Amino acid sequence: ELKVEQNPLFLSMQEGKNYTIYCNYSTTSDRLYWYRQDPGKSLESLFVLLSNGAVKQEGRLMASLDTKARLSTLHITAAVHDLSATYFCAVGDSGGGADGLTFGKGTHLIIQP
Amino acid sequence: DGGITQSPKYLFRKEGQNVTLSCEQNLNHDAMYWYRQDPGQGLRLIYYSQIVNDFQKGDIAEGYSVSREKKESFPLTVTSAQKNPTAFYLCASSTDRAYSEAFFGQGTRLTVV
Repeated sequence: ELKVEQNPLFLSMQEGKNYTIYCNYSTTSDRLYWYRQDPGKSLESLFVLLSNGAVKQEGRLMASLDTKARLSTLHITAAVHDLSATYFCAVGDSGGGADGLTFGKGTHLIIQP
Repeated sequence: DGGITQSPKYLFRKEGQNVTLSCEQNLNHDAMYWYRQDPGQGLRLIYYSQIVNDFQKGDIAEGYSVSREKKESFPLTVTSAQKNPTAFYLCASSTDRAYSEAFFGQGTRLTVV
C-alpha cells in the first residue's frame, strides 16, 4: 500500500525567510505532483515531477524529486504573505496509469509579515 | 471556458437520506475521480473511472456509489450506509495519457443535519 508523508504539517514563518517542505513516499513511483489549496477552495496544480532528479521552479517555489530516496521537496525562497496556503504532495503508482493519486496530509503554511 | 463543474457548492443531508453530487467536465478527459477531504487531512480516493461505463473502487468506497454513463459526467451518490458523510468532496479529471495531471473542480461541502 502506498503511503505518503509530509512534514512539517504546520509551518509558521516570516516573510523573507526560506524553508523546505518534505514529502516521503513508501513504494516505487515515477510521478509526483504538488498542489496548493486556499481555505475552502479547490486544489491548484503547481508542479508535475516525472523523473529522478527532476527540478521545476515557478516564482519563489521550487520542487525536486529523488525517486531513489522516495523523496520530494518543495522549497520556498524569500517567502511572501501570498504564499500562505496548504500544500499537498500526491503520488501515483508506477506506470503512470489514470488510477488515482495518494495524497499526503498537507502542510499548512502561514507566512507572517 | 474548459473546466470541471461541481454542484451544488453546499449540500445538507438528513440522517438516512441519499444525496447525489454532480460533476461535469468539458475538457474531453477520459478519466474522472472522486476524492473526500476531511478537516486537516489529505484527500482520499473514493471512486475513479477511466472510461465510460466502467469505474473502480478507491480506498474508501463503502457507502458511496457512482455511475459513468457519459464521458462528461461522473455523479457521486452518498448513501445512507455512509456513517460519517460530512466532508468536502472534490471531483477531478485527467486525460488517459500516462502521467497526466489531474484537474480539480471547486468542491461540494456536504453536511449532515
